[in-house]
Amino acid sequence: DSGVTQTPKHLITATGQRVTLRCSPRSGDLSVYWYQQSLDQGLQFLIQYYNGEERAKGNILERFSAQQFPDLHSELNLSSLELGDSALYFCASNQAGGTYNEQFFGPGTRLTVL
Amino acid sequence: GIQVEQSPPDLILQEGANSTLRCNFSDSVNNLQWFHQNPWGQLINLFYIPSGTKQNGRLSATTVATERYSLLYISSSQTTDSGVYFCAVIAPNAGGTSYGKLTFGQGTILTVHP
Repeated sequence: DSGVTQTPKHLITATGQRVTLRCSPRSGDLSVYWYQQSLDQGLQFLIQYYNGEERAKGNILERFSAQQFPDLHSELNLSSLELGDSALYFCASNQAGGTYNEQFFGPGTRLTVL
Repeated sequence: GIQVEQSPPDLILQEGANSTLRCNFSDSVNNLQWFHQNPWGQLINLFYIPSGTKQNGRLSATTVATERYSLLYISSSQTTDSGVYFCAVIAPNAGGTSYGKLTFGQGTILTVHP
């Protein structure tokens, strides 16, 4: 158990819908990362937050948005869902958010868009 | 951006055999991590090893940063070692846009038969 929690574990929804994925980092960690794992794209970085501020952005679609709250938990919002958004979404965290720091991954949320 | 290549793509072993997985990367790195993704999809941290050698039980890893590769050794493999092994790196921050972003290889699928 990495100490990073994600809810829900599974999510099944329809095209065009909107969902919210939630992540709680390890105790003491200030930085949260979101990654997407799909069959065709592999594991890809979406976005990073540090202490409530956006720190880095990857190839995150405009239909996707995220935020980190004062209690340091983070939410990833996915809207106007398409079949291709079906994937495993991981959250990771670490203390300092820098390039030298190990990242610890949550168990993931498996999203299925029908 | 930095490229990460893992080999072999697939590996099939009998229980008790040893194996070596390789990760090549195209630039210098500040962070290199090895992960095991189990059949349930969880990403488990194995090693944080931007340079040097580490051992943890039957697993060990070596990163030769100057030659841009890392090796993961699995000895006396067990069926529970089956899954996908990922190498992921972070290059030194260039311009701030990739701060903290882990770039993953495509993985090595390991199957251990009893």
